[in-house]
Amino acid sequence: GAGVSQSPRYKVAKRGQDVALRCDPISGHVSLFWYQQALGQGPEFLTYFQNEAQLDKSGLPSDRFFAERPEGSVSTLKIQRTQQEDSAVYLCASSLAQRASNQPQHFGDGTRLSIL
Amino acid sequence: DAKTTQPTSMDCAEGRAANLPCNHSTISGNEYVYWYRQIHSQGPQYIIHGLKNNETNEMASLIITEDRKSSTLILPHATLRDTAVYYCIVRFLTDKLIFGTGTRLQVFP
Repeated sequence: GAGVSQSPRYKVAKRGQDVALRCDPISGHVSLFWYQQALGQGPEFLTYFQNEAQLDKSGLPSDRFFAERPEGSVSTLKIQRTQQEDSAVYLCASSLAQRASNQPQHFGDGTRLSIL
Repeated sequence: DAKTTQPTSMDCAEGRAANLPCNHSTISGNEYVYWYRQIHSQGPQYIIHGLKNNETNEMASLIITEDRKSSTLILPHATLRDTAVYYCIVRFLTDKLIFGTGTRLQVFP
């Protein structure tokens, strides 16, 4: 079966440009997560959706970061006015169950974002 | 979530068992132990999780000590494709995973 799909796989943007990263979760998965992974570090939580509701956005580093999941399936992470420190791999994960469960999260292979 | 401590790196010969330790001395009674791994240029891959009993699946075994303050992930017959960073995470009914820096396992021929 299909796993979590992310696109584009690589994105290069100039500083100050806006970017949009897409995540297609596993079909039927209720929960969706975004993580940011800097080079040589473990992933860090950004935000969490249960269906279309964004229940936790405590990890978003600034108001330039915005995520949405309008129909409870595909999600988009948008970064406005990109800066060099935004360069990282952005990972999406989905989970079958609703919040506060011990169902494992399944990850996509991420989008590698480079800001010049 | 409780903090975990893992060795920075380990080596293992191909075909031998790889035993990856994790300390989580501040774990509380309802926190689960999760293991993920990340192969270069891929997203983290779920391996196994457990609460207090030992667990086994097609990928690995998880041994949790009786006091639950430490655990060991066992890959019974390591292959070159098991070379990866392995993350031990302690989690209790929270939405997010908190990753540390993990253990870099190198399997050599």
